[in-house]
Amino acid sequence: GQSLEQPSEVTAVEGAIVQINCTYQTSGFYGLSWYQQHDGGAPTFLSYNALDGLEETGRFSSFLSRSDSYGYLLLQELQMKDSASYFCAVRDQALGGQNFVFGPGTRLSVLP
Amino acid sequence: DAGVIQSPRHEVTEMGQEVTLRCKPISGHNSLFWYRQTMMRGLELLIYFNNNVPIDDSGMPEDRFSAKMPNASFSTLKIQPSEPRDSAVYFCASSLRGTGANVLTFGAGSRLTVL
Repeated sequence: GQSLEQPSEVTAVEGAIVQINCTYQTSGFYGLSWYQQHDGGAPTFLSYNALDGLEETGRFSSFLSRSDSYGYLLLQELQMKDSASYFCAVRDQALGGQNFVFGPGTRLSVLP
Repeated sequence: DAGVIQSPRHEVTEMGQEVTLRCKPISGHNSLFWYRQTMMRGLELLIYFNNNVPIDDSGMPEDRFSAKMPNASFSTLKIQPSEPRDSAVYFCASSLRGTGANVLTFGAGSRLTVL
């Protein structure tokens, strides 16, 4: 089976940098994704890492270490609109590599 | 591109009634997923279709749940009979197999309340 762990809540102030960690256990790993979900909204794709290292997309970066079964999402220059829940999701070999299992989510609160 | 379209956005029904949720995936996407989201259990995969064929329904809670995809542009998730514990937000998502397989595009969701 698969399991993912994330902190339940993180709080930071505008302009700060925050890191949301994700550890996972899976039988066959393809990659790690991150999704953002605002209250009442749908999850939206942020990033995907299949290989070790850091991927940067604007203010957001995502890191993966396959040997440590660990990844993180880094949000820089925080803005109020970044207040949302952030989910890591493992893509594994079940269902022919189409199985995306989501973590419990981390609720980020950005304070003024 | 209109994105993934789900209907209804909100549904309130009484225990024992039949509920049908609908989804139109993004045109050209050939993988479709149904997820359920609750506070207690988070985002759970219910069923996955590839090229309109159900690949795995092991996430479907029980026989009261059924899903169909009669063509590439339409899928339904049916609950019969509904129970209060089925109250949740049901999301449909689609992806493009191959290079696009890493990205799930979610619909706005259908919020179901069973009284």
